[in-house]
Amino acid sequence: EAGVAQSPRYKIIEKRQSVAFWCNPISGHATLYWYQQILGQGPKLLIQFQNNGVVDDSQLPKDRFSAERLKGVDSTLKIQPAKLEDSAVYLCASSSVRRNEQFFGPGTRLTVL
Amino acid sequence: AQSVTQLDSHVSVSEGTPVLLRCNYSSSYSPSLFWYVQHPNKGLQLLLKYTSAATLVKGINGFEAEFKKSETSFHLTKPSAHMSDAAEYFCAVGNRKLIWGLGTSLAVNP
Repeated sequence: EAGVAQSPRYKIIEKRQSVAFWCNPISGHATLYWYQQILGQGPKLLIQFQNNGVVDDSQLPKDRFSAERLKGVDSTLKIQPAKLEDSAVYLCASSSVRRNEQFFGPGTRLTVL
Repeated sequence: AQSVTQLDSHVSVSEGTPVLLRCNYSSSYSPSLFWYVQHPNKGLQLLLKYTSAATLVKGINGFEAEFKKSETSFHLTKPSAHMSDAAEYFCAVGNRKLIWGLGTSLAVNP
């Protein structure tokens, strides 16, 4: 079974630029999560999708972050414009409806200069 | 409300000695509890989970954890540390939405 795929693995941008991350969950997993993990901290949930609907986006900075999952499979997370404090690893995870364990992708390490 | 406290930010052990990583939780209902491991520049990997079945949960790579309701704890143990166990370990509580601890960095000395 293929795992959660993410791209790119690394991204360096300057502040005020925009960036997008892509995630392909495990086949058949209805729930998809985006997390932000700042160095030395645990993951922070940004947004949770159930199929293509948003379940929880209470911690998503909506003035600059957006995410979509149009067909209930792949998802993209966008930051526009980026700030220095957005430097972090962005993790995507997925889970099935029946089982609540989350499976994670390798993450995208974003550096904002 | 739910919360997780990982009692040690850093643990150092010698190879071949036991590992104990401590996690306390708070929950108003019977939660699922998880331990994840994160190696450098890698994503999080599920080690084990507790979901109200057996209180002693066995996971991958020789790790296990015991759910103690009276102590609200879910400590992670391994009888004998290996160099490859050096990583960051996270405890999490919840069901669909997980509440994460801050992590424990495990160093294994030769």
